[in-house]
Amino acid sequence: GENVEQHPSTLSVQEGDSAVIKCTYSDSASNYFPWYKQELGKGPQLIIDIRSNVGEKKDQRIAVTLNKTAKHFSLHITETQPEDSAVYFCAASTGEAGNMLTFGGGTRLMVKP
Amino acid sequence: GAGVSQSPSNKVTEKGKDVELRCDPISGHTALYWYRQSLGQGLEFLIYFQGNSAPDKSGLPSDRFSAERTGGSVSTLTIQRTQQEDSAVYLCASSLEGGREQYFGPGTRLTVT
Repeated sequence: GENVEQHPSTLSVQEGDSAVIKCTYSDSASNYFPWYKQELGKGPQLIIDIRSNVGEKKDQRIAVTLNKTAKHFSLHITETQPEDSAVYFCAASTGEAGNMLTFGGGTRLMVKP
Repeated sequence: GAGVSQSPSNKVTEKGKDVELRCDPISGHTALYWYRQSLGQGLEFLIYFQGNSAPDKSGLPSDRFSAERTGGSVSTLTIQRTQQEDSAVYLCASSLEGGREQYFGPGTRLTVT
């Protein structure tokens, strides 16, 4: 089955700096890659996603890139703010079991004011 | 509009007891997923429902776990004879039929003592 690895497990940045989180996946059939933000005591919130037919997608300060050949994808957050502090999860889906998601292990992002 | 809701938000139970966890998906969402989030295993898929079709139970960890979905809407996850390793946050997500975006509820934190 699919395996998703996520790095780093923790990331500390200064407010205003950029943050990058990287994920690799194992199943070349995966074609959908969402990113979720989870704040303490809450469920994961979808923040951006990318499908395998594009290489990059942006939404304001957030961007995601996908390299299908290398089977890795990354989340980029620019001009980080303290409210960006949370745990971020990447995921991959092949479309099996409906669209069952396989998650990475998570990255705890801390933005220092 | 209203998001995915789950109840209870917290549940403490004694080892060996049965528990029921409830999920109300977003109105109009025909696909419903259960995931489990635990310290050792991260976020893992449990079961998937699509409309009135037979569920995909491929992620259920043992036969003590079962789930049903009544009327294509509300779902209940039942854990029989709970064990300490069942302690985790149980998350429910829903999506439109054929949709890739999954929206999560706040989860139920289950503690087995």
